[in-house]
Amino acid sequence: EAAVTQSPRNKVTVTGGNVTLSCRQTNSHNYMYWYRQDTGHGLRLIHYSYGAGNLQIGDVPDGYKATRTTQEDFFLLLELASPSQTSLYFCASSGGGGYAEQFFGPGTRLTVL
Amino acid sequence: KTQVEQSPQSLVVRQGENCVLQCNYSVTPDNHLRWFKQDTGKGLVSLTVLVHENDKTSNGRYSATLDKDAKHSTLHITATLLDDTATYICVVGVNRGSALGRLHFGAGTQLIVIP
Repeated sequence: EAAVTQSPRNKVTVTGGNVTLSCRQTNSHNYMYWYRQDTGHGLRLIHYSYGAGNLQIGDVPDGYKATRTTQEDFFLLLELASPSQTSLYFCASSGGGGYAEQFFGPGTRLTVL
Repeated sequence: KTQVEQSPQSLVVRQGENCVLQCNYSVTPDNHLRWFKQDTGKGLVSLTVLVHENDKTSNGRYSATLDKDAKHSTLHITATLLDDTATYICVVGVNRGSALGRLHFGAGTQLIVIP
């Protein structure tokens, strides 16, 4: 069974704060993704990665940085958090492109006051 | 512009009833379509994937169809259970020839099953 974990599960910060969201997968997958989910919208891709040291820009990258330190670990960084970044963040991993299934973590709820 | 539209936005059914969820999309080229179930506050779990023109799949009480000409998919849930209460998300995958296919997510249909 594929396993993707995220931490923290909940985070509250203030405007201008510095936040790091962590994701770890134990599936030996090459691909990892960060999404945000907002009411009334489908999941939107922030950043993704093909492997350790690789980073690709998604559809809504503004205000976010990401880093893939190992095959297992993918981090999302908000260096100057804003209220518009209040959202539910999901990490996912997959073994390939095409129609390879993406396996999702449980999500991190971030609130920026 | 929303490229994956799901309907209805929400649906209430009684336990034991059947229901049908719809997904229309304008994504092109459409490589595959996947239905996910998302329990409240949880991650997405894949129910089924449809790849070919006029594909049909079945996974227990879940069955799905895909019409690539019409760019339309349906998810049928038979004999609903209280545990079916969740948001069902339609996702269309695009394979642009690179190893990584981009996914386009619908906003979901919120299904509530009542006793």
